Amino acid sequence: QITLKESGPTLVKPTQTLTLTCTFSGFSLSTSGVAVGWIRQPPGKALEWLALIYWDDDRRYSPSLKTRLTITKDTSKKQVVLTMTNMDPVDTATYYCAHGRGFDFWGQGTLVTVSS
Amino acid sequence: QSALTQPRSVSGSPGQSVAISCTGTSSDVGAYNYVSWYQLHPGTAPKLMIYDVNKRPSGVPDRFSGSKSANTASLTISGLQTEDEADYYCCSYAGNYTLYVFGTGTKVTVL
Repeated sequence: QITLKESGPTLVKPTQTLTLTCTFSGFSLSTSGVAVGWIRQPPGKALEWLALIYWDDDRRYSPSLKTRLTITKDTSKKQVVLTMTNMDPVDTATYYCAHGRGFDFWGQGTLVTVSS
Repeated sequence: QSALTQPRSVSGSPGQSVAISCTGTSSDVGAYNYVSWYQLHPGTAPKLMIYDVNKRPSGVPDRFSGSKSANTASLTISGLQTEDEADYYCCSYAGNYTLYVFGTGTKVTVL
């Protein structure tokens, strides 16, 4: 059974760096073909893909946010970490992590508010 | 890369069929058979309903079906049920640079 859970701060100040952790179970990120991605949804708005990391440490980013994002994995801890720099109020959103290149399993998401 | 275009809302009575369109371009929907659909209920984890245009994951009722023609993909819900009331998003693979693009989202209302 695959499960994922996002964790991190609920409130960050503008210009700060956001660090989110996705802790997963039911699969290994060292298995060929496996990937974990991050997606966000601002309140009342659409889903937006942010980043993806593959089992072989290949990392992909949304072109529009590429300069602000870093995705890393800790295979032994079964965690994937996303950092986003220079946070702005428009980055207020629910942030989700999801399994696989097809996002077949998702976490419940964590709401991050950016406000001073 | 612009978001895929979906109708803001669709509605139907229980038992009816509804279809949600997802219009992209020849660089995403039209280029690859990697369109997926997700169901979002408030407060719960998004759920994959369709992948690779028309494949259903285990556990998804067969009243959910997907198709694609040129740059437009569609999700059809046949025999609409009250629990189908939710937001639905399409997503397409868009190549090695952009990777993924999501749709604008559609609210399905069961009358």
